[in-house]
Formats: sequence, structure tokens, C-alpha cells
Amino acid sequence: DGGITQSPKYLFRKEGQNVTLSCEQNLNHDAMYWYRQDPGQGLRLIYYSQIVNDFQKGDIAEGYSVSREKKESFPLTVTSAQKNPTAFYLCASSSRADQPQHFGDGTRLSIL
Amino acid sequence: GENVEQHPSTLSVQEGDSAVIKCTYSDSASNYFPWYKQELGKRPQLIIDIRSNVGEKKDQRIAVTLNKTAKHFSLHITETQPEDSAVYFCAAGGAGGQNFVFGPGTRLSVLP
Repeated sequence: DGGITQSPKYLFRKEGQNVTLSCEQNLNHDAMYWYRQDPGQGLRLIYYSQIVNDFQKGDIAEGYSVSREKKESFPLTVTSAQKNPTAFYLCASSSRADQPQHFGDGTRLSIL
Repeated sequence: GENVEQHPSTLSVQEGDSAVIKCTYSDSASNYFPWYKQELGKRPQLIIDIRSNVGEKKDQRIAVTLNKTAKHFSLHITETQPEDSAVYFCAAGGAGGQNFVFGPGTRLSVLP
């Protein structure tokens, strides 16, 4: 969807480095989500936020952090504590939890 | 919490044949069941969804059926075409404002 923009498209992380993935939406959605997808696997929820200034851990939050200071932005930081960060990261948003989620194009993160 | 199983994990059909993907869920309170299609390296895209007050929904060659008693729902694709080849994810949730949970995915290959 043109309404959700993830950047960068590709990202490389050095050992011990924190990196931040950007997610911006102009759909006026209250809820935003971060998923991790490994090759040939499904979508695993990292963090989600149903309203500004509030977020909750998903199934695999360890080694990740988020913030939700603005309705349209939900950046994800992959910290050095995440020992296996190589994956495809997808951001999504919805008007509320029981409505369709719209996804961004994803960021592919690799370790140098 | 909700748990979603999906079968089969891979499915090959001849062009023009039908394809059926089945999902089961654990939380009887779940009331929203979307289906997403993800082409290789792309974002997941919503193709059809159904709510708990409906037993069946159809959109051209795609249909979804829901059996709330048995807690399972299915995606039916008729007259398959090569462009239907992708990974399909089911999801269930929405009860009490809860996020929906994705199934592990089915890789569909439509053979010419």
C-alpha cells in the first residue's frame, strides 16, 4: 500500500551495532505492528501499538525496542542483544485490532 | 491466546484446477478471519476476509467458508492461474480488541 512507507529497503548491521527501521503511515490508523519473517516462514509479531504513546510486546520482543511518539510513525530498533537479526521485517497498520492490516514493502536486514 | 494452524504447508495444482487451504483456530471468541497472499519478496496483501456472523463469502474466483462450531475456515480458489502462485496466510482474532494471529502459511504452486 502506498499509505505505509518502510525505509530503508535493505540494511546491514555490524556486530554490536543498534539499527533503526523506519515505518510511516498516512492512513490515519491507530494501530501499528512490526513482524519478523524468516525465509520460508510465517509472520511473527515483535511489537504492536494500538494508540500513541502506548505499545505492547509481541511473541518475539527480546532484542528489539520501539517507540510511538506520533500516530503516523512506529520505528523499530534492532539492538545488539538480538543475536540473529537477519530477516525480512514488515510493518503494518490498521484502523483498529479487528480490521484488516495493511503492510509496507518491508526492510531486509543482514549482518555484515 | 489464539493459536492458528494451517494445512497443507505446500500445495501444487494444475492450472485450471481448484485449490483449498484449511485453517483451524483455538479461541472460540475470535470473530475476524482474513486471508493474505504474499508473492516472493513482496508484502502480504489482503485478498478476502470473513467475520463470524457470516458462513461464506465469495469474490470472483476466491471464496472463504467459516465453521464456527468446528473452529475452522477455508480458502477456495477456483480455475487457478499461474499468477495465483504465492504463499497464502490465514489469520484469526479480533475478539475484545485483540490482534489477529497468523497461520504458518501455505505455498501454492500452479503448474502450467
